[in-house]
Amino acid sequence: AQKVTQAQTEISVVEKEDVTLDCVYETRDTTYYLFWYKQPPSGELVFLIRRNSFDEQNEISGRYSWNFQKSTSSFNFTITASQVVDSAVYFCALSAAYNFNKFYFGSGTKLNVKP
Amino acid sequence: DAGVTQSPTHLIKTRGQQVTLRCSPISGHKSVSWYQQVLGQGPQFIFQYYEKEERGRGNFPDRFSARQFPNYSSELNVNALLLGDSALYLCASSFPTGAGHNEQFFGPGTRLTVL
Repeated sequence: AQKVTQAQTEISVVEKEDVTLDCVYETRDTTYYLFWYKQPPSGELVFLIRRNSFDEQNEISGRYSWNFQKSTSSFNFTITASQVVDSAVYFCALSAAYNFNKFYFGSGTKLNVKP
Repeated sequence: DAGVTQSPTHLIKTRGQQVTLRCSPISGHKSVSWYQQVLGQGPQFIFQYYEKEERGRGNFPDRFSARQFPNYSSELNVNALLLGDSALYLCASSFPTGAGHNEQFFGPGTRLTVL
């Protein structure tokens, strides 16, 4: 069975603070993909990153960085120097080898960045 | 290039009615997936269609059905609507290849309200 847990329901920070969103996943498959999506109030899911299970290298893209650790089944997302425009709901998702187009989403973390 | 489009944007129905939601994938994409997102939760997988065939089904009752047309657009039908069917319905398209997984691109969703 596949499962994604985002324990943080809501986080509030002040602009320019760093913030980390946690994601823990469960799967028995050895080949899988992990994703982060951003959902602004408009509702459309915006793709942020995809990692496969064989690539544990951390990745940095501008103010965004991701830490993938198979040993702890975690795929955490850090925003450095947060901005008001980062306010949104962030979802972590998993897809596994038997159907890569079937995504299992976490319940999401709502990030509020205050000026 | 146009992204994934969905229609209608919003829909209000009463209990017991039937509804049809429509999705047009990105040009060249042959796979369409449907997700239900209840307020405050992550999206839940409903169906995936590829080359007009059902390739995956989530844990939803038979009141939910879908199909994919020769032009790869798709319809999601829900019969005998219940109050609990009120949700944002998201469509995602991807271009699967034999090499493995490709990312999914989500549409803006259809907001269904059942009264």
